[in-house]
Amino acid sequence: NAGVMQNPRHLVRRRGQEARLRCSPMKGHSHVYWYRQLPEEGLKFMVYLQKENIIDESGMPKERFSAEFPKEGPSILRIQQVVRGDSAAYFCASSPRLAGGYYEQYFGPGTRLTVT
Amino acid sequence: GENVEQHPSTLSVQEGDSAVIKCTYSDSASNYFPWYKQELGKGPQLIIDIRSNVGEKKDQRIAVTLNKTAKHFSLHITETQPEDSAVYFCAADLGYQKVTFGTGTKLQVIP
Repeated sequence: NAGVMQNPRHLVRRRGQEARLRCSPMKGHSHVYWYRQLPEEGLKFMVYLQKENIIDESGMPKERFSAEFPKEGPSILRIQQVVRGDSAAYFCASSPRLAGGYYEQYFGPGTRLTVT
Repeated sequence: GENVEQHPSTLSVQEGDSAVIKCTYSDSASNYFPWYKQELGKGPQLIIDIRSNVGEKKDQRIAVTLNKTAKHFSLHITETQPEDSAVYFCAADLGYQKVTFGTGTKLQVIP
């Protein structure tokens, strides 16, 4: 059973370009979470999605950032008009269908975004 | 929202000694507390977790304790080995699937 897959692993964008980060959850997992990690810091929650639904996006910046988890295919985190402050590691995690309110989140290897 | 504080930020121990990392949380409604290990260039890996109805949990050399009254929980690693060197994160979850992470502890085990 393959783990959570993220691609690309490294992404370099110039200021003003768009960044698209992809996440394929573990097989059988229907919940996806995106986190951002700045250097020497912990992970900050961004968004929680289920298939075709955004459940909680309270950690997403109001502008330029969007996320989706379509019925088919990977989850996408999209950053438009990137700025230097967007440089960070972006991690995706997935979890199985909730059972009794308990779950575990399994993380992918991350995408390291560098904005030049 | 939930706030999780973690100490120390760095920790060096001799191989074979024990390591203890402590965390406090702010929201008494939090009911799930996972611990993650992150190696350089990799994603966090769950190593142990504890639910709010349990005070202690052990898995081989790793143990976690939870004091709900004081709102703090701790990770204990015994007989440390060089491969335990990594950054460790505590986290707390209110049950809404939005996990709040601590700021991390960089553990160095000196051979």
